[in-house]
Amino acid sequence: DAGVIQSPRHEVTEMGQEVTLRCKPISGHDYLFWYRQTMMRGLELLIYFNNNVPIDDSGMPEDRFSAKMPNASFSTLKIQPSEPRDSAVYFCASSYSTGGNQPQHFGDGTRLSIL
Amino acid sequence: AQSVAQPEDQVNVAEGNPLTVKCTYSVSGNPYLFWYVQYPNRGLQFLLKYITGDNLVKGSYGFEAEFNKSQTSFHLKKPSALVSDSALYFCAVRDYDYKLSFGAGTTVTVRA
Repeated sequence: DAGVIQSPRHEVTEMGQEVTLRCKPISGHDYLFWYRQTMMRGLELLIYFNNNVPIDDSGMPEDRFSAKMPNASFSTLKIQPSEPRDSAVYFCASSYSTGGNQPQHFGDGTRLSIL
Repeated sequence: AQSVAQPEDQVNVAEGNPLTVKCTYSVSGNPYLFWYVQYPNRGLQFLLKYITGDNLVKGSYGFEAEFNKSQTSFHLKKPSALVSDSALYFCAVRDYDYKLSFGAGTTVTVRA
């Protein structure tokens, strides 16, 4: 089975540019999560969706960050304008909802560097 | 809110020796607990979970974890560590809805 697919794997861009990260969850999963991982702050949940609807975006750091899920097989995380402090590894994960005991399955992440 | 703590930033063991990675939890109600492993430049991979039932849970790659309600712990164990087990390990607990609350992670180094 295909896992969670993220693209691009690496992104290097200059400060002020728009960045779009993409995620394809595992087919049939109805929850999708976006995380950010840094050495200083560890793993942080940014936002999550259920059945394509955003449920909790309290982890989104600023209005510069936005996320969408137009359908069950695709989600984007956008940063506009980007800043050097946004440099991190961004992960997407998906899971089934049944009973709350299902693990989240992670993609391999996008390593973002803002110069 | 539910939370977990991993008291050790690093664990170092020799290959062939037992490996233990510690995790304690704080929850209201029954805990749903998980262990994940992260290899360099990869996402987190699910190892095992405790939902209910037997306190000893077996998972992937020869790992197991022991749920201890009185000590509020969920330690990850492997009887004989391999060099390839060197990685970053995360304990997690289900928070409200379907969010997971992760620990800070423990770096495991297994020396040959």
